Amino acid sequence: GAVVSQHPSWVICKSGTSVKIECRSLDFQATTMFWYRQFPKQSLMLMATSNEGSKATYEQGVEKDKFLINHASLTLSTLTVTSAHPEDSSFYICSARPRDFPTDTQYFGPGTRLTVL
Amino acid sequence: QQPVQSPQAVILREGEDAVINCSSSKALYSVHWYRQKHGEAPVFLMILLKGGEQKGHEKISASFNEKKQQSSLYLTASQLSYSGTYFCGTESGRDDKIIFGKGTRLHILP
Repeated sequence: GAVVSQHPSWVICKSGTSVKIECRSLDFQATTMFWYRQFPKQSLMLMATSNEGSKATYEQGVEKDKFLINHASLTLSTLTVTSAHPEDSSFYICSARPRDFPTDTQYFGPGTRLTVL
Repeated sequence: QQPVQSPQAVILREGEDAVINCSSSKALYSVHWYRQKHGEAPVFLMILLKGGEQKGHEKISASFNEKKQQSSLYLTASQLSYSGTYFCGTESGRDDKIIFGKGTRLHILP
């Protein structure tokens, strides 16, 4: 149980284009999903907390107009990187927290590797 | 506030033991431990809750000292498959966001 999927696994795009990443909880409902980015050999940096049916809460220093987050249902959250630039190249990982077990941990998706040329 | 992990990296021979520490300057509600292999997402190992828990998972166990705001992960008789980067994540309150430490890289030699 507690499987989280992400799509796509990797994406290469040109500078200036937008990229959408999907995060789905496959066998549980998640009121809250989290988006992280990770640079090589570094820690997981929380970008935003996504709540179903409401606006996402962004961490300090994360541009909300650049990283658009939508949490359309209890099993789906999307991250859109708008007007991507090479410095946005990173490993983006989502995680989801089961709705029915609030003291449970977060379960991570497999990640999406974004390369902006 | 980001928890502090130590050591930053450790190299062991197969069969040896390791301890990874995680400490916070804030009062903690829970500590979460994950292992990440290169190029993959973190995999959940265990969660320890307020109240001072100790848990075990095969040859991997952990303790949580709530008063000291510290947790330790114990790897006994390490196997090659234990190699990876270990992250502790801390929560200050129930349903709060998890903040991760910088990680401890563990490399097991045959």
